Amino acid sequence: DAEITQSPRHKITETGRQVTLACHQTWNHNNMFWYRQDLGHGLRLIHYSYGVHDTNKGEVSDGYSVSRSNTEDLPLTLESAASSQTSVYFCASSRAGTYNEQFFGPGTRLTVL
Amino acid sequence: KQEVTQIPAALSVPEGENLVLNCSFTDSAIYNLQWFRQDPGKGLTSLLLIQSSQREQTSGRLNASLDKSSGRSTLYIAASQPGDSATYLCAVSISGGSNYKLTFGKGTLLTVNP
Repeated sequence: DAEITQSPRHKITETGRQVTLACHQTWNHNNMFWYRQDLGHGLRLIHYSYGVHDTNKGEVSDGYSVSRSNTEDLPLTLESAASSQTSVYFCASSRAGTYNEQFFGPGTRLTVL
Repeated sequence: KQEVTQIPAALSVPEGENLVLNCSFTDSAIYNLQWFRQDPGKGLTSLLLIQSSQREQTSGRLNASLDKSSGRSTLYIAASQPGDSATYLCAVSISGGSNYKLTFGKGTLLTVNP
């Protein structure tokens, strides 16, 4: 079955380290998204991509970057992790032209000490 | 800027009750509205998607309605069960060049008591 996976599922890191969170989908969806979920803020969009080599900033993109070298993967990089980036991160994807029904991965819980 | 509000923030009901969850949004020029379910420690599961031209969608015991002019959607759950206990999230995307970006409400935490 097609699916969307994230790795690692849990990560603890230290302030200042570079961290990369992986997202892989097997639906062949053009659109991919990264969100963070925090108590009191709900889900907020970090970055998104509408296809290979396309990336766009979302609502809370400072301190994060993404790159899209193929259809299946959209890794999220924290260049220099900060305690404010402790959160649960969700990746999602949708197929272009289908009214954008988004499907979500299981999430990565990141703790920055 | 689109803002999405969900009321109530939490709801507790006895098993078997019919219930309604509410979602409101400030910009009526939406592309679609999507309802999700989130179990503790899990990802989001898509329940229903309503296109901007539609008034409602149904899936099993769930029925979602959309009133664009008033900026409101409701999720109706019939004959609730303990397994329905979860957080329910509403999200909208706006028309135009950014119609794939979702703006989320903060959710309604539903508890169905046996």
